[in-house]
Amino acid sequence: DQQVKQNSPSLSVQEGRISILNCDYTNSMFDYFLWYKKYPAEGPTFLISISSIKDKNEDGRFTVFLNKSAKHLSLHIVPSQPGDSAVYFCAASAIKAAGNKLTFGGGTRVLVKP
Amino acid sequence: DTGVSQNPRHKITKRGQNVTFRCDPISEHNRLYWYRQTLGQGPEFLTYFQNEAQLEKSRLLSDRFSAERPKGSFSTLEIQRTEQGDSAMYLCASSFEGGSTGQPQHFGDGTRLSIL
Repeated sequence: DQQVKQNSPSLSVQEGRISILNCDYTNSMFDYFLWYKKYPAEGPTFLISISSIKDKNEDGRFTVFLNKSAKHLSLHIVPSQPGDSAVYFCAASAIKAAGNKLTFGGGTRVLVKP
Repeated sequence: DTGVSQNPRHKITKRGQNVTFRCDPISEHNRLYWYRQTLGQGPEFLTYFQNEAQLEKSRLLSDRFSAERPKGSFSTLEIQRTEQGDSAMYLCASSFEGGSTGQPQHFGDGTRLSIL
């Protein structure tokens, strides 16, 4: 049972434009959500997170939106840069119910074209 | 560099051998997590420690796997009698958890295990 899903395995975007990555979850106990970026041969790098009490969090070029009723979150990257080309993972945890162990989606590979 | 450190970066071994990986977390972090990632998948939770106490183990962690964090600092993950299916990237992460709000986990670069 895949509790966190990223339905788009890949995304191609022009430099300077917006990248939108989507993530759906099924476990209503999840209350903390994160996005990680991963380059080949490196570990995931934390990008941005959001608590379930919020619906939006911004950090520079990165904005995460959370729609609890739809069990959906998205990551917006504006403007996209060639260095953003990587695999992006959505992750979720149920802090109160199950500590902070993360459940990951399968990832979306982003290619930013110059 | 004060990030999470994992050693070795790559381990190649024959089926049936034992292997041990080490993780040094960020020094002030009280929680340490182990995950496993196979090709094309996201990381999967294996186990985690709060200080030296192992608080949860995934059912992915068979009896051949054991993890320790003896003094609440570094951790080791041992796999006994390795099998082909153990080939994966083993990732360690750490975080500081002090309350009811979430804190991001910070990952090391992993140990890639290849079973011949």
